[in-house]
Amino acid sequence: GESVGLHLPTLSVQEGDNSIINCAYSNSASDYFIWYKQESGKGPQFIIDIRSNMDKRQGQRVTVLLNKTVKHLSLQIAATQPGDSAVYFCAERARNTPLVFGKGTRLSVIA
Amino acid sequence: DSGVTQTPKHLITATGQRVTLRCSPRSGDLSVYWYQQSLDQGLQFLIQYYNGEERAKGNILERFSAQQFPDLHSELNLSSLELGDSALYFCASSPASEATEAFFGQGTRLTVV
Repeated sequence: GESVGLHLPTLSVQEGDNSIINCAYSNSASDYFIWYKQESGKGPQFIIDIRSNMDKRQGQRVTVLLNKTVKHLSLQIAATQPGDSAVYFCAERARNTPLVFGKGTRLSVIA
Repeated sequence: DSGVTQTPKHLITATGQRVTLRCSPRSGDLSVYWYQQSLDQGLQFLIQYYNGEERAKGNILERFSAQQFPDLHSELNLSSLELGDSALYFCASSPASEATEAFFGQGTRLTVV
């Protein structure tokens, strides 16, 4: 796959468990954040976003938490499934600037 | 399916050559972004166009150029290709000039030999 070869941190979880993927961002001016999932052979897929005026946002089986004090973002996936195996990227954006991507985390789900 | 279409999916070319990558954004989206994903660099922002005008520029080499046409599709031109240009090139689109709700295409895998 396209991200194979990148020396990414890897998170291995058992199927059915919850996953937490963390991301530290660098720009204190960032006001918008997105989590993307990239499966082998595919482009990054939008999962969920959050603006800086929020601390938490929930989607279907996913929750994003934002801690602006320590510039930390996390993605929680409930009841992780084999189809969740992928590389996950956080992206941040300050006003009038493009999205800047983190290095990514590889999630491996053990059946 | 994100609604963003990129062609071609794969491209193999020789060093020194020139190629053009094409992107059709989602219906209604005015912004197009180009990113490069190489094995050791992650996703790097190259350039953004909004409604036909260049909006932001990232780490784009002088050998690379892009444009957005009146029908909002975009092309990324890569010239004097080098081995190190081998990478995945992604296009993303979003409704407005701000990079919110940006959706990506499937990418073009460029191999320079």
